Amino acid sequence: EVQLVESGGGLVKPGGSLRLSCAASGFTFTTAWMSWVRQAPGKGLEWVGRIRSKSGGGTTEYAAPVKGRFTISRDDAKNTLSLQMDSLKTEDTAVYYCTSMSIWGQGTLVTVSS
Amino acid sequence: DVVMTQSPLSLPVTLGQPASISCRSSQSLVHSDGVTYLNWFQQRPGQSPRRLIYKVSNRESGVPDRFSGSGSGTDFTLKISRVEAEDVGVYYCLQQTHRPLTFGGGTKVEIK
Repeated sequence: EVQLVESGGGLVKPGGSLRLSCAASGFTFTTAWMSWVRQAPGKGLEWVGRIRSKSGGGTTEYAAPVKGRFTISRDDAKNTLSLQMDSLKTEDTAVYYCTSMSIWGQGTLVTVSS
Repeated sequence: DVVMTQSPLSLPVTLGQPASISCRSSQSLVHSDGVTYLNWFQQRPGQSPRRLIYKVSNRESGVPDRFSGSGSGTDFTLKISRVEAEDVGVYYCLQQTHRPLTFGGGTKVEIK
């Protein structure tokens, strides 16, 4: 079965850190360009960033609101995508989705609050 | 950044009737490789998004043929030929031509 399963969400204080993981299965993860997309409560979709496949250069790109605070990485041997989130702000509160754009996970909720 | 503007914000439709959603970009979405990277997504209540259309008019596997995408340059449309109850949700366009990737604000489709 083709799927993406996120984990690692939770409650964190402003200024804190959190690491999200996404386990991929059922498709060729190594060739997929992977993104993180978030959705604040009651709001629309916002692209967070992406990482290219190794054959595509393996480089990363980020949206302005998270650049310098968030880091996307991948472990192709383990079919895993990660999102390291540092210096978290209340406005980072959202459901975070791991996606190849054609495949989406179920999302994991990150709440930043004191 | 490329701004994606969707209209209408809300679209009440009668079952069995057609529906149309517009997505306009602030600059051309034709990539230097000649491809237009414009996608459409559906998000049903309480669910993750699902891609319906990629590269303007290509349906994802399993997407009913009542969904179609069209357009070029800066002006794009998602059409539902005959709305069914399961089509209720929010629809988003996304451009992948320019960095950063940007979504439209969404169009909520509901049944009258």
